Amino acid sequence: DIQMTQSPSTLSASIGDRVTITCRASQTISSWLAWYQQKPGKAPNLLIYKASNLESGVPSRFSGSGSGTEFTLTISSLQPDDFATYYCQEYYSYSPAFGQGTKVEVK
Amino acid sequence: QVTLQESGPALVKPTQTLTLTCTFSGFSLTTPGMRVSWIRQPPGKALEWLARIDGDDEKFYSTSLRTRLTISKDTSKNQVVLTMTNVDPVDTATYYCTFGSYYRAWGQGTLVTVSS
Repeated sequence: DIQMTQSPSTLSASIGDRVTITCRASQTISSWLAWYQQKPGKAPNLLIYKASNLESGVPSRFSGSGSGTEFTLTISSLQPDDFATYYCQEYYSYSPAFGQGTKVEVK
Repeated sequence: QVTLQESGPALVKPTQTLTLTCTFSGFSLTTPGMRVSWIRQPPGKALEWLARIDGDDEKFYSTSLRTRLTISKDTSKNQVVLTMTNVDPVDTATYYCTFGSYYRAWGQGTLVTVSS
């Protein structure tokens, strides 16, 4: 099975900061990677698909990059609504895997 | 517009079988390429993919849970059913159903507690 490893697990940041979250796959997944944002008590919300495609309705301050085994999610200027937990997910395999999550908290 | 809704028991006893139903609208699960997956999330923990069923009735399971899971569909009712046998308190989680390969649409989730 493919393992997805996110770093950091927790990130402390301030409004306006540029935030970068990394996701590494244990084997190549081409660009078959998605990013989600989850807030407490809610289902995850799709942000990015196919590594760098912004989902409709998602603010342009979110961007994704990478291919193969290393990927990043960047928030160009952190907004109050962005404090949440972020997950990467590979959909290359028949048994898709999620990363363990990155919590973005107030510094 | 795709919508999904999970339903099932809130409380299950250890060793029992858990049955969850996902009722969906906005697509047909008879169409090749359409797929519904189940994902769970224990309280305070990460998301875990469980199983998937496709429009052509292909089924896929988590490697670690495959012996305990069965996924099926009832296309006349637009439903997907997941059964999990021999549940344990570690199976306590919010269970979600989702649509597609990457998940644009999610149900609201249903919290299942396994406790005697």
